[in-house]
Amino acid sequence: GQQVMQIPQYQHVQEGEDFTTYCNSSTTLSNIQWYKQRPGGHPVFLIQLVKSGEVKKQKRLTFQFGEAKKNSSLHITATQTTDVGTYFCAPRGYGGSQGNLIFGKGTKLSVKP
Amino acid sequence: DAGVTQSPTHLIKTRGQQVTLRCSPKSGHDTVSWYQQALGQGPQFIFQYYEEEERQRGNFPDRFSGHQFPNYSSELNVNALLLGDSALYLCASRDRGGARGYTFGSGTRLTVV
Repeated sequence: GQQVMQIPQYQHVQEGEDFTTYCNSSTTLSNIQWYKQRPGGHPVFLIQLVKSGEVKKQKRLTFQFGEAKKNSSLHITATQTTDVGTYFCAPRGYGGSQGNLIFGKGTKLSVKP
Repeated sequence: DAGVTQSPTHLIKTRGQQVTLRCSPKSGHDTVSWYQQALGQGPQFIFQYYEEEERQRGNFPDRFSGHQFPNYSSELNVNALLLGDSALYLCASRDRGGARGYTFGSGTRLTVV
């Protein structure tokens, strides 16, 4: 079945440093969504990427979708303590998986002030 | 706010019992998905409901069943509870296209003792 791998599993950074998490799939994806879950909270939708090679920015966050649509990344510039949480990629794959999201294990980000 | 509402927020059940969790989707959303999230893991897809029918199902046993009502609200039922069913159960809703992502509820924390 559809699987995604996110790396790293954990990332500890000093406030102001940059952070990147990567999401890799074994199969081609129709699109991919990213979510953030704060400690003790629930996932919150950040963005959806659809096109090959697509790049989208939200303030300090930059999202990329690979040319082959098998991987994606989220980069945060100059992290802040408010960025703390777990970031999940959630692809919606081809072949009957349309509609439901498949979450990776996520990357847990901690930011030291 | 017209977000996703889940009840109850916390629940303690005994092994072998049955439980029903409830979800009201965000206003304007007609598709409801249920996820199970164990501690430190990503949400695992249970099933999705649309037009009162189960449309897709993840790798969960028949002990997990659901229902969607004409007003789009949904229930998740789990029979013959096992200790391993202890988790956060998340309900997520989306509109027809899903391009604006899923809106998650705050979840029901189920503890089986």
